[in-house]
Amino acid sequence: GAGVSQTPSNKVTEKGKYVELRCDPISGHTALYWYRQSLGQGPEFLIYFQGTGAADDSGLPNDRFFAVRPEGSVSTLKIQRTERGDSAVYLCASSLTGTSDEQFFGPGTRLTVL
Amino acid sequence: AQRVTQPEKLLSVFKGAPVELKCNYSYSGSPELFWYVQYSRQRLQLLLRHISRESIKGFTADLNKGETSFHLKKPFAQEEDSAMYYCALIGRGSNYKLTFGKGTLLTVNP
Repeated sequence: GAGVSQTPSNKVTEKGKYVELRCDPISGHTALYWYRQSLGQGPEFLIYFQGTGAADDSGLPNDRFFAVRPEGSVSTLKIQRTERGDSAVYLCASSLTGTSDEQFFGPGTRLTVL
Repeated sequence: AQRVTQPEKLLSVFKGAPVELKCNYSYSGSPELFWYVQYSRQRLQLLLRHISRESIKGFTADLNKGETSFHLKKPFAQEEDSAMYYCALIGRGSNYKLTFGKGTLLTVNP
């Protein structure tokens, strides 16, 4: 079956612009996660959705970052007024229930802010 | 605060040699530990988790609570093992939030 997909695979934008990153989880997975991976670092947790609601957004770095999952499937990570420090690979993952079960990762979106 | 430390950024071994990728963690409780692997041009994927006590692709990892370590081992490395390896933990309080180390790039030379 299809795994987690993310679009676009690469995004180049200018400082100050708005970007949206999309994640399509595995069908039937209720839990969805966003992580950010900066160069030379491991992935860092951003936000966790259980169904349509954000159960834990404690990893979002500031209020420029926002994520939604309106129908409990596709999720969009939104970044306002992008800064050069936002440049990273943004990873999405999904899991069946969200309780210690295996998280399946997407290929990531590489965001470059010029 | 929970933390995962992988002291080696790079590790290079020859085919057939034993390999050990080190992982130490900091967590005030009983975490769940994982090893994730990312092969070249592929996505991050789970290799093994400590609760399943499995051997995957010849790799094993034992949780040592006294030393707070979860080192990954394989007795005879293969060229196809070359990849980036990340150790990660989930704290019992969250059940879902993975905390990753910075990763170790393993190169197995012919």
